[in-house]
Amino acid sequence: DAMVIQNPRYQVTQFGKPVTLSCSQTLNHNVMYWYQQKSSQAPKLLFHYYDKDFNNEADTPDNFQSRRPNTSFCFLDIRSPGLGDAAMYLCATSREGLVKEQYFGPGTRLTVT
Amino acid sequence: GEDVEQSLFLSVREGDSSVINCTYTDSSSTYLYWYKQEPGAGLQLLTYIFSNMDMKQDQRLTVLLNKKDKHLSLRIADTQTGDSAIYFCAERAASGTYKYIFGTGTRLKVLA
Repeated sequence: DAMVIQNPRYQVTQFGKPVTLSCSQTLNHNVMYWYQQKSSQAPKLLFHYYDKDFNNEADTPDNFQSRRPNTSFCFLDIRSPGLGDAAMYLCATSREGLVKEQYFGPGTRLTVT
Repeated sequence: GEDVEQSLFLSVREGDSSVINCTYTDSSSTYLYWYKQEPGAGLQLLTYIFSNMDMKQDQRLTVLLNKKDKHLSLRIADTQTGDSAIYFCAERAASGTYKYIFGTGTRLKVLA
């Protein structure tokens, strides 16, 4: 089945140790998103790509970076994780056309020790 | 501005109907969505409605849209314990962006 896949589902990292979260999609959607979600709050958009065009949210800390080497893959790099970065990270893709739909992956739960 | 609000909690008995409400502020939104999130999982797209529609029905789900009041609702008929989750409404931001604005989420608890 076409879907959005996130690896790993659970990630533990140490304070200040760089970590990379991965997302892949088989939907061939142009747009890919990274969201941060804490304690069942609304997902907070960090950035998104339309194809290779990168769009950063104004309030996304510089500590968060992203790469999209091709249509299928997108990575979230946290350069120096702090305790406040512990959260669920959700990847999503969006179908752009007459119908606009956004699909989410299962998320990666990040713990910072 | 872009702001989407929902009530935080809703509790219903199994078999009853649930109605989850949402208000939004961006009158230029073309699509409005309902997502379901179960514990520890991503958001599952349940249904959406185009802004030129008043109502959309999909099996047990009915979406009502009042554009004048910028009010969106999701009715779940014959609510089951498996419907217990957090429900987010979302609007597609104004044209020219690819952003979705999410509501604060409503936690639905279904009592057996």
